[in-house]
Amino acid sequence: GNSVTQMEGPVTLSEEAFLTINCTYTATGYPSLFWYVQYPGEGLQLLLKATKADDKGSNKGFEATYRKETTSFHLEKGSVQVSDSAVYFCALKYGSGYSTLTFGKGTMLLVSP
Amino acid sequence: DAGVIQSPRHEVTEMGQEVTLRCKPISGHDYLFWYRQTMMRGLELLIYFNNNVPIDDSGMPEDRFSAKMPNASFSTLKIQPSEPRDSAVYFCASRESGFDQPQHFGDGTRLSIL
Repeated sequence: GNSVTQMEGPVTLSEEAFLTINCTYTATGYPSLFWYVQYPGEGLQLLLKATKADDKGSNKGFEATYRKETTSFHLEKGSVQVSDSAVYFCALKYGSGYSTLTFGKGTMLLVSP
Repeated sequence: DAGVIQSPRHEVTEMGQEVTLRCKPISGHDYLFWYRQTMMRGLELLIYFNNNVPIDDSGMPEDRFSAKMPNASFSTLKIQPSEPRDSAVYFCASRESGFDQPQHFGDGTRLSIL
């Protein structure tokens, strides 16, 4: 079946450091890939997405590139801020109904001043 | 625009009691999802509806859980009887039709069963 594997957290960084959160997936065919972010006490929000191989999703300084050859969708940001502290979820969508998401377990990011 | 609205935000109750969680999706969205989030299991899809009809309830853990969507603007998730292992954060999400439309999440209900 479909699955998403994320690096375990927490990831702890100082402000302005470079961020990478790894995500790999297993799926038949060509899923769409997503990153969601969850701030404390809130629900998940879509951060970015990519729908086909070599697409790059980007938003708020975050980027991720859909790599079919390595089945990966790693999240990167060049310079993190304290306000980026949150839990980040990688997800894929695939299936006849194209309706449901399969989420990874989430990676907590803690950024200190 | 109002997002997905869930109530209550927090619920604390004793084992054996009935619990009802409520969700109002974004107007015009015709898919509605219920998720459960725990530290151990992460985010799990319990059930989803399309045009008020349950499509897949394979994630509902057992018969104590039930979900309804009587109209396009309201859904409930009910647990009867509740057990301590049901303690979790329950999220509702909705989205429009169309390939790759994003899901919009509510802020969740934090449920504690004593």
